[in-house]
Amino acid sequence: DIEMTQSPSSLSASVGDRVTIACRASQGIGNYLAWYQQKPGRVPNLLIYAASTLQSGVPSRFSGGGSGTDFTLTIDSLQPEDVATYYCQKYNSAPLTFGGGTKVEIK
Amino acid sequence: EMQVLESGGGLVQPGESLRLSCGASGFTFSSYAMSWVRQAPGKALEWVSGIIYSGGNTYHADSVKGRFTVSRDNSKNTLYLQMNSLRAEDTAAYYCARHSGAYYKYYVMDVWGQGTTVTVSS
Repeated sequence: DIEMTQSPSSLSASVGDRVTIACRASQGIGNYLAWYQQKPGRVPNLLIYAASTLQSGVPSRFSGGGSGTDFTLTIDSLQPEDVATYYCQKYNSAPLTFGGGTKVEIK
Repeated sequence: EMQVLESGGGLVQPGESLRLSCGASGFTFSSYAMSWVRQAPGKALEWVSGIIYSGGNTYHADSVKGRFTVSRDNSKNTLYLQMNSLRAEDTAAYYCARHSGAYYKYYVMDVWGQGTTVTVSS
């Protein structure tokens, strides 16, 4: 099975900072990569699919990139409401594995 | 509004069974694949099971294979997860999620329920 590894596992940044989260697949997955945001005590919410396509209603400060094995999620100007855990997930084949998550906090 | 709503969670003893249900509304349920995703307390998301639009193909994670069975009744707009031989490590919030297309691969999970909690403890 393909493994999904996220880094870092947590980060702390200031409001307005640019934040980048990495996700690496142990084998190539094309662009079948999604990012989900889970705010504390809330349900996961789809942010990005096909590695770089923003889901409807998601603020434009979020962006995704990469293909094959290496992917990134970038928040251009971190806002207080972005405090959450972010998960990547591959969906090219079963099992649809999630990464271990990256917890984003405000400094 | 597209919605999915889980039910059926609760407290059970190790070895017992439980069936989760997920009712869908606001979209043509029979056209979409569905999945169950769980999250143990303080842990990451784990994809548990998926089922294609027709119910004709399913997948279960190794951690639940042989114990859990996903199914659907398209006439009732309902997804199920039959959980047998439950273990302490199955304790988690269980989410039902819709995929954006007919298959669980190639399509992301774009509509999520609020979750139902399963606790396995003696």
